Amino acid sequence: DSGVTQTPKHLITATGQRVTLRCSPRSGDLSVYWYQQSLDQGLQFLIQYYNGEERAKGNILERFSAQQFPDLHSELNLSSLELGDSALYFCASSVAGGSEQFFGPGTRLTVL
Amino acid sequence: AQSVTQPDIHITVSEGASLELRCNYSYGATPYLFWYVQSPGQGLQLLLKYFSGDTLVQGIKGFEAEFKRSQSSFNLRKPSVHWSDAAEYFCAVVITSGTYKYIFGTGTRLKVLA
Repeated sequence: DSGVTQTPKHLITATGQRVTLRCSPRSGDLSVYWYQQSLDQGLQFLIQYYNGEERAKGNILERFSAQQFPDLHSELNLSSLELGDSALYFCASSVAGGSEQFFGPGTRLTVL
Repeated sequence: AQSVTQPDIHITVSEGASLELRCNYSYGATPYLFWYVQSPGQGLQLLLKYFSGDTLVQGIKGFEAEFKRSQSSFNLRKPSVHWSDAAEYFCAVVITSGTYKYIFGTGTRLKVLA
């Protein structure tokens, strides 16, 4: 158990819908990272937050957004969902930039 | 541009055989280096890390990795593979360019034959 929790574990929704994925980092970790993992694209970095502020952006679509709250949990919002958004979404946390990341178990999103 | 290359997409070894998974990076300085393992349907778990110092690092589950600056490599090794090692392995680097940037390789899927 990495100490990073993600909810829900599975999510099935329809095209055009909006979903929110939630992540609670390890106790004491200030950085949260979001990744998308699909069979054809591999592990793709989406976005990083540090202590509530956005720090880095990767291959995140404009339909996707994220935020980190004062209690350090983070949410990833996916809107206008398309079939191609079906993937595993991982959250990871680290105590500081540059240190190892600890990954949550992931949320499997299926868009029908 | 900075990148991480894992040249082997799939590797198959027999149980008890030795294992080496390759990782090369492209970066002008020495990055921080990590190996992660992902079992099916699971998140990534840290196997080992290199920040500085001794270039041979020991990790969990009997894995080790050696940093070779001249080859820009950080290969993962295990002397005797167990069936439970079947998983996907990711090499990752962290570079500093104003902020810390994490770059993951595309992964190597390990299959272990009984």
